[in-house]
Formats: sequence, C-alpha cells, structure tokens
Amino acid sequence: DIQLTQSPSFLSASVGDRVTITCRASQGISSYLAWYQQKPGKAPKLLIYAASTLQSGVPSRFSGSGSGTEFTLTISSLQPEDFATYYCQQLRTFGQGTKVEIK
Amino acid sequence: EVQLVESGGGLVQPGRSLRLSCTASGFTFGDYAMSWVRQAPGKGLEWVGFIRSKAYGGTTEYAASVKGRFTISRDDSKSIAYLQMNSLKTEDTAVYYCTRADLTFFICDYWGQGTLVTVSS
Repeated sequence: DIQLTQSPSFLSASVGDRVTITCRASQGISSYLAWYQQKPGKAPKLLIYAASTLQSGVPSRFSGSGSGTEFTLTISSLQPEDFATYYCQQLRTFGQGTKVEIK
Repeated sequence: EVQLVESGGGLVQPGRSLRLSCTASGFTFGDYAMSWVRQAPGKGLEWVGFIRSKAYGGTTEYAASVKGRFTISRDDSKSIAYLQMNSLKTEDTAVYYCTRADLTFFICDYWGQGTLVTVSS
C-alpha cells in the first residue's frame, strides 16, 4: 500500500508568510495527488488536484507542484483564513496532516 | 450546487450494526463513484472505501481496517449511497464523511458535513 508522509506535522507562521508543506509518497504515484484544507469542526475542502491544478474557487495564493514521490503545497502569502490543517491524498491514502497555526 | 448530506449516525454498542446514508443532489449521481472517509476524534483522515458507478461495474473497495465488516452500496434511483457497518468496534468511533469521488484523478471533490458514530457500551 502507498503511504504518504507530510512534513512538517505542525508549523507556526505569521500573516503574509510564504508557507510550504511537503508530501512524500512511498512509491511513485505520477501526478495523482490532491491537497485538502480542513478547519475545526468542518469537512475537508479540496484545494488542488493532479498535483498542481487549482480547484475552482480556490484563491491563487495556493499552488501545488511535484510528481512521482515528492509534492509540495505552497501558500504564497498566508491569510488569516488559511490557518487550518492541510492533508495530502491519493484516493485510498491520506497524509497525517499539517497543522498551520498563527505565530 | 453539489450537496451531500449524511444521516444515520449515533451511539451504538460494540458488536452492533449501523447504516449511514448519504443523500446527494446537484449532480447526476449515477455518473460518479462515491466514497466514505472517517476521522476519529482529534485524529487525521482515514479512507474507508468507495463504490464505482454502474458504468464501471458498481464495484467496491475497502480499507483493510473495515473489510469484511463494512459494505458500501448505492441506489441511483434515489441518489443515495449507504455505508452498512457491522460488528462495530470502539475504534470505529469517528465522524464519517460521504464524498463524491473522481476516479480519474483519485480525489474526493465534494464532501458532506459528516455524521458522528460513537461506539461505546
């Protein structure tokens, strides 16, 4: 089974910071990787799919890159509403999550 | 607007059964795979399983942790997906989310609000 490992598990950042989260797959998954944002008490929301395609309605400060086994989610300028937990996913497998908190 | 509404959660004793429903609207239900994802309290997301559309055989796949105990089915005439959970264990306690699955990109593109299942004596 494919395993996805996110790093870091937790990060503290300030509004306006550039933030990067990494997701590593235990084997190559081409570009079949998605990123989700989850706020407390809410369902996850799809941000990016196919590694780099922005879901409709998602702000352009979010971007994704990578293929094979290493992927990144970047938030170019962190906004107050971006403080949340982020997960990578390849359908049957989720990463363990990265919690982004206010510094 | 795509909407997914889960129902059927609640408190159940270990070893008992429960059936969750997911009522969909805003898209042609029969054209899509549907999946279930759960989240134990304070934990991350765990894929439970999915059911393909009838066009792809309506077949199912499950996580190892639930295989043989959980069954996903669908009623395209009612736009409802089901998760039948048997032989429940305390570790099945979680919020269960219904999602629309896009098997082209291996993603869950729309999610319901979730329903809490608590397994406890």
